[in-house]
Amino acid sequence: EPEVTQTPSHQVTQMGQEVILRCVPISNHLYFYWYRQILGQKVEFLVSFYNNEISEKSEIFDDQFSVERPDGSNFTLKIRSTKLEDSAMYFCASSGAGDTIETQYFGPGTRLLVL
Amino acid sequence: AQSVTQLGSHVSVSEGALVLLRCNYSSSVPPYLFWYVQYPNQGLQLLLKYTSAATLVKGINGFEAEFKKSETSFHLTKPSAHMSDAAEYFCAVSDPRFQKLVFGTGTRLLVSP
Repeated sequence: EPEVTQTPSHQVTQMGQEVILRCVPISNHLYFYWYRQILGQKVEFLVSFYNNEISEKSEIFDDQFSVERPDGSNFTLKIRSTKLEDSAMYFCASSGAGDTIETQYFGPGTRLLVL
Repeated sequence: AQSVTQLGSHVSVSEGALVLLRCNYSSSVPPYLFWYVQYPNQGLQLLLKYTSAATLVKGINGFEAEFKKSETSFHLTKPSAHMSDAAEYFCAVSDPRFQKLVFGTGTRLLVSP
């Protein structure tokens, strides 16, 4: 069964460093998303991406964040200068088009720890 | 704006007992509603979804949920709990015009022998 994959599974970084989280969505999906879950809190929407551009973003997704689909298979989230409060589990998701657009399939997540 | 309230951060049941996880939503438009399950150290897996067809929705692993507009609820049930059902369960709502999911805070289901 097709699945969303994410790398790395864990990442530790120093405050102020740039990190790139990588995702490989399901191959025929057209919509891509990033969510995050700070420990003990709810899963929060960050951004959605379609047709090579951001379709929606939350207040969390400020200028420190960017997303990119550098090739036909990867979808990345970059945090330019990490802060302590960026420590969280980051989930990538993807969905198809038409009547399957609402069903988002999630990856296993990348746990980011900023020291 | 949309929101979800999940009553009870933890629910404990015995194996074989009824599972009832509560979810109430707020939405200014007719919503889509979802239940996701998260097993330890894993991602979110879709259990079931409501997208304005039948109000009683059946999902995987014997779970079902009923959309009740008058109560703005979408509670998740399973007639008989199994040890393998122990996990965290998240209710989510979306506006059908957009794809953003708004999640509740989650309910951890504990199943005892």
